[in-house]
Amino acid sequence: SSELTQDPAVSVALGQTVRITCQGDSLRIYYASWYQQKPGQAPILVIYGKNNRPSGIPDRFSASSSGNTASLAITGAQAADEADYYCQSRDSTTNHLIFGGGTKLTVL
Amino acid sequence: QVQLQESGPGLVKPSETLSLMCTVSGDSITSYFWTWIRQPPGKGLEWIGYIYFTGSTNYNPSLKSRVTMSADTSKNQFSLKLSSVTAADTAVYYCARAATYSTTWPLDYWGQGTLVTVSS
Repeated sequence: SSELTQDPAVSVALGQTVRITCQGDSLRIYYASWYQQKPGQAPILVIYGKNNRPSGIPDRFSASSSGNTASLAITGAQAADEADYYCQSRDSTTNHLIFGGGTKLTVL
Repeated sequence: QVQLQESGPGLVKPSETLSLMCTVSGDSITSYFWTWIRQPPGKGLEWIGYIYFTGSTNYNPSLKSRVTMSADTSKNQFSLKLSSVTAADTAVYYCARAATYSTTWPLDYWGQGTLVTVSS
């Protein structure tokens, strides 16, 4: 299967840790990339590879992976982290890019 | 700093062809793959396809019959054409760079996006 599955919505109390998960067969071969999207804005890359953050992304964002599940963790969630989060990978056979359906993160 | 900018009509009539251009600055399109993604209002991201500067392409199977991508290295631009559009093609269209330095091909630079509405 070339699908990625995410929970539609997750909430976290301010300052706590939250994990957003992504499941799919492609994740057994490739790590997920993770994107943050705020309303009216283009997505931005926050994590790629095993656990790499592009320049400017706070270190409270981290990633892990096991089997067919990838996880994005936000340690000490801030109000500014409230956004939609998308995972992305690629199919090893076709090289098609695949997006998860997105998770809406609410910071309480 | 790599920048991408989408351009093209914001309104397309049903059954016509949607045409968008992405202009890249700060990098040459002779590196990496260059990608189109769209997002219908209130919905998630959908990969449309990508192109390499040689002209090699890979398209989403659900759109493949209607999609054509091309690249112009002299202008450092790449383009998207989507034919026979319907209201379901109404979306914000993004162009992005697929960074092949990582096996996951992350989309590390994005354009701001352009809203295309399909309506008569």
